[in-house]
Amino acid sequence: QKEVEQNSGPLSVPEGAIASLNCTYSDRVSQSFFWYRQYSGKSPELIMSIYSNGDKEDGRFTAQLNKASQYVSLLIRDSQPSDSATYLCAVNIGGNNRLAFGKGNQVVVIP
Amino acid sequence: EPEVTQTPSHQVTQMGQEVILRCVPISNHLYFYWYRQILGQKVEFLVSFYNNEISEKSEIFDDQFSVERPDGSNFTLKIRSTKLEDSAMYFCASSETYGYTFGSGTRLTVV
Repeated sequence: QKEVEQNSGPLSVPEGAIASLNCTYSDRVSQSFFWYRQYSGKSPELIMSIYSNGDKEDGRFTAQLNKASQYVSLLIRDSQPSDSATYLCAVNIGGNNRLAFGKGNQVVVIP
Repeated sequence: EPEVTQTPSHQVTQMGQEVILRCVPISNHLYFYWYRQILGQKVEFLVSFYNNEISEKSEIFDDQFSVERPDGSNFTLKIRSTKLEDSAMYFCASSETYGYTFGSGTRLTVV
């Protein structure tokens, strides 16, 4: 079983709509969860971190964590063309600082 | 805003040659990492470094790889004898605890 899975294909959303991304992870000990944004040819940029079950909101971004289901999600409200990027889910593994990354979900916001 | 600096941004090397990738982490960060991303694939963990020693390494980080913190600011990744399959983006990252800041990366091309 992969450590972090992001199975959805490219996601196209109209400008102003909500983009919803999902991620599952395998390590029940994991305590820290992150969403990174990566533009083509660039490095990952941290946009959200979440450590407790429930929702965490930061501007137009909301992260949701359900440890019982080993599930993390990211909502992007009022999507803008500048949100077009690949979104990487990352989970700390084994209780230490190593992060395992999912393969990413490409989001395309259509003006 | 503090940033992680990586040099060079792009390096081309012949197969079998040694390369050194350089990083200057954020000054008050305690944990340092190297990750790589082969084109079109996910970000993969190579090694983590804390308190002047390797704290964890992946199976990718074999004997041809080494890391050093030669002074108080630099953190280097050395690949002793490069292979074609080492071609990738190499990202340095640093953190205080969780939630890394990534550098802009070095694109390594082995020919």
